[in-house]
Amino acid sequence: KAGVTQTPRYLIKTRGQQVTLSCSPISGHRSVSWYQQTPGQGLQFLFEYFSETQRNKGNFPGRFSGRQFSNSRSEMNVSTLELGDSALYLCASSSPEGGETQYFGPGTRLLVL
Amino acid sequence: AQSVTQLGSHVSVSEGALVLLRCNYSSSVPPYLFWYVQYPNQGLQLLLKYTSAATLVKGINGFEAEFKKSETSFHLTKPSAHMSDAAEYFCAVSDGNAGNMLTFGGGTRLMVKP
Repeated sequence: KAGVTQTPRYLIKTRGQQVTLSCSPISGHRSVSWYQQTPGQGLQFLFEYFSETQRNKGNFPGRFSGRQFSNSRSEMNVSTLELGDSALYLCASSSPEGGETQYFGPGTRLLVL
Repeated sequence: AQSVTQLGSHVSVSEGALVLLRCNYSSSVPPYLFWYVQYPNQGLQLLLKYTSAATLVKGINGFEAEFKKSETSFHLTKPSAHMSDAAEYFCAVSDGNAGNMLTFGGGTRLMVKP
């Protein structure tokens, strides 16, 4: 099976812009989660989607949003970018049952200038 | 709320020596526990997972971890370090009742000296 894919892999934006990141889960996986990784804050949970519905949400401002499509692909959007949004954004997919193993993609590295 | 503490942000061992990476967790319910490894410029790769089936869990690349409820610990070990083990290791917990949300520790960077 193909793994989790994320596009684009690298992105440079300027403050105030918005960005959309995409994630395609492993075939058959219906749960998609997003995480932000920074040197200062480490790995932090953003949100989880299952069946096109947000099931969990982390402690991030409303500028961070996401959605899931009927084919389980997911996108996350960050509006009004700030310098502190520079990070590696990781997507993970899993079966929908709680506690299931999450399989991570390679990430999208976002640099905000 | 769940939390994970990894003691030692950096651990250095010699090639062939024992690797011990420490992880302590707090969870209000019996947890699912995971160890992931991250190589530079890559995502996270699952090493092993604890799901209450057995307290000693064997993973890939010769790693194993032991769940100790009384100590709320899930330390990762490998008998003999290899140069290719140099990477960052993350311990994570999920309570299973809130979907698949993972709470991660701060990570431990393992360095292997020749």
